[in-house]
Amino acid sequence: AQRVTQPEKLLSVFKGAPVELKCNYSYSGSPELFWYVQYSRQRLQLLLRHISRESIKGFTADLNKGETSFHLKKPFAQEEDSAMYYCAPPRTGGYNKLIFGAGTRLAVHP
Amino acid sequence: GAVVSQHPSWVICKSGTSVKIECRSLDFQATTMFWYRQFPKQSLMLMATSNEGSKATYEQGVEKDKFLINHASLTLSTLTVTSAHPEDSSFYICSAAGADYGYTFGSGTRLTVV
Repeated sequence: AQRVTQPEKLLSVFKGAPVELKCNYSYSGSPELFWYVQYSRQRLQLLLRHISRESIKGFTADLNKGETSFHLKKPFAQEEDSAMYYCAPPRTGGYNKLIFGAGTRLAVHP
Repeated sequence: GAVVSQHPSWVICKSGTSVKIECRSLDFQATTMFWYRQFPKQSLMLMATSNEGSKATYEQGVEKDKFLINHASLTLSTLTVTSAHPEDSSFYICSAAGADYGYTFGSGTRLTVV
């Protein structure tokens, strides 16, 4: 089964500091991974996906096959980045289920 | 982009009554929909996977008779909490699997059972 692990439940930083939210995966093949974000009182939404190589809201994530990681990074955190972040594997078939890990709460302090 | 509409956004019901929550994919067909439960400041817990035209697949520990799921069309799945009790109070979220390998989430339903 495709699984991802987010080792940190809470990441607390000051505004302007670099941020790295860790995600490790444990499956073989060609991994495709997603980062989802849930802001306070808002629905879960897609932040970025590995395959598109986009930078959304200043966040980037690089797939490291050697370390089996897909860490989410941002050079300068903003207060509005405070949210819950979830790393997740993709759907690979019509019946595949998306199981989230514990997620990481990012708290950016002024 | 893909949009999922979930209704109601919040509901208060009396203990012992049933509540139905709807999840609709507005601009795409969702063969598969997922229902999650989220407790305050915790991650989403997958309750069941709903496939159009077939019975839902429930996760271990989720009562099938308590949480009835129906996925009668490619754009609608419903979750009915039967004989609700205060411990069923929670935030319920649906998600639809789209054609682009991603997932689109509803805005959630906050259920309070009094």
